[in-house]
Amino acid sequence: AQSVTQLGSHVSVSEGALVLLRCNYSSSVPPYLFWYVQYPNQGLQLLLKYTTGATLVKGINGFEAEFKKSETSFHLTKPSAHMSDAAEYFCAVSTASKLTFGTGTRLQVTL
Amino acid sequence: DTEVTQTPKHLVMGMTNKKSLKCEQHMGHRAMYWYKQKAKKPPELMFVYSYEKLSINESVPSRFSPECPNSSLLNLHLHALQPEDSALYLCASSHGNSPLHFGNGTRLTVT
Repeated sequence: AQSVTQLGSHVSVSEGALVLLRCNYSSSVPPYLFWYVQYPNQGLQLLLKYTTGATLVKGINGFEAEFKKSETSFHLTKPSAHMSDAAEYFCAVSTASKLTFGTGTRLQVTL
Repeated sequence: DTEVTQTPKHLVMGMTNKKSLKCEQHMGHRAMYWYKQKAKKPPELMFVYSYEKLSINESVPSRFSPECPNSSLLNLHLHALQPEDSALYLCASSHGNSPLHFGNGTRLTVT
């Protein structure tokens, strides 16, 4: 079975600082990996996805993630945090029409 | 703005009530999903419809009854719910290997 593990349920950064949200996956086959963001009282919005090809994936709002097979990781980064980035972030893996989420990381951005 | 529309946004119902949640998409997606999300938890898959046929039922209690009248609509009929069923119910759609598009959810409270 495929799964993802998000390290850190809560991350706090200062505005303008680097954002790094960690995700490791477990998969017996090449995975499809995703990052979603959820703002309060809203659904989930796709930030970026990795399927095949280029391992550095750029998404919306300045986020990017790098697929590293040797480390089974798909960490999400953003060079400079903005107050509007405060939200819940979910890493997810897709298999056979099922999308399985990690436990989520709440990003707090402080002044 | 989301391309998956869910109604109502909020619903309060008693344990003896019958109500329905509705979901609509006009992106031509042929797979539609119901997820349940408890507070501070990731979404959990309930049902998947593929080409209007139920393809996945994650052992959901029979008090939740899904229906897919056509390729654009997905309903979730609720009957005799328990207070622990209170949650955010998310609808999503996809096509092929494309990422899931989520609606903003219905926040359900069972009293």
